Amino acid sequence: DTGVSQDPRHKITKRGQNVTFRCDPISEHNRLYWYRQTLGQGPEFLTYFQNEAQLEKSRLLSDRFSAERPKGSFSTLEIQRTEQGDSAMYLCASSLAAGGGWYFGPGTRLTVT
Amino acid sequence: DAKTTQPNSMESNEEEPVHLPCNHSTISGTDYIHWYRQLPSQGPEYVIHGLTSNVNNRMASLAIAEDRKSSTLILHRATLRDAAVYYCIHHQNTGNQFYFGTGTSLTVIP
Repeated sequence: DTGVSQDPRHKITKRGQNVTFRCDPISEHNRLYWYRQTLGQGPEFLTYFQNEAQLEKSRLLSDRFSAERPKGSFSTLEIQRTEQGDSAMYLCASSLAAGGGWYFGPGTRLTVT
Repeated sequence: DAKTTQPNSMESNEEEPVHLPCNHSTISGTDYIHWYRQLPSQGPEYVIHGLTSNVNNRMASLAIAEDRKSSTLILHRATLRDAAVYYCIHHQNTGNQFYFGTGTSLTVIP
């Protein structure tokens, strides 16, 4: 399977713990996006990388959130001191060009108890 | 935000065509129109995109109004597997963000 993969698929954590998610984009795609989706809503943009550079961040991305894409390939999204409001599906997408299609991974569902 | 307006829900009978409308009155000249769909507990799936001309692929057709302020996604023969939330997005070519609305939840009736 050469699609976008995300790991883990599900994560349950206690409030205050740190969590890290990984995204492996389609290999030739230089653009990578993180989105968050809560129940009944469409995905909300969090951040965007072109190669290893993080070029855009949403105001939704508080200082407890950090994302990296160290070698321009896979990316990680870390949430520190999780809160119950962080419970959501975290989606990763990749694309080859600005006007082209974006390919989403299956998402990581985070539950903060 | 690049906003789009879609009906919250639609129903279709199986094997009949479905026309899903979208208004994007704030679209600019270089924005592409994208359609995605999302099945429960899955990430959004690319359906189709276009700029000005109508587009066809194996999944669907995209009809774009002449003024580009609206578009229609056409599923030629709805199947039960087409039941999903369909999102219409117009992508600001000057930026890298794309904004999803709440989409249209399509129910296919057997």
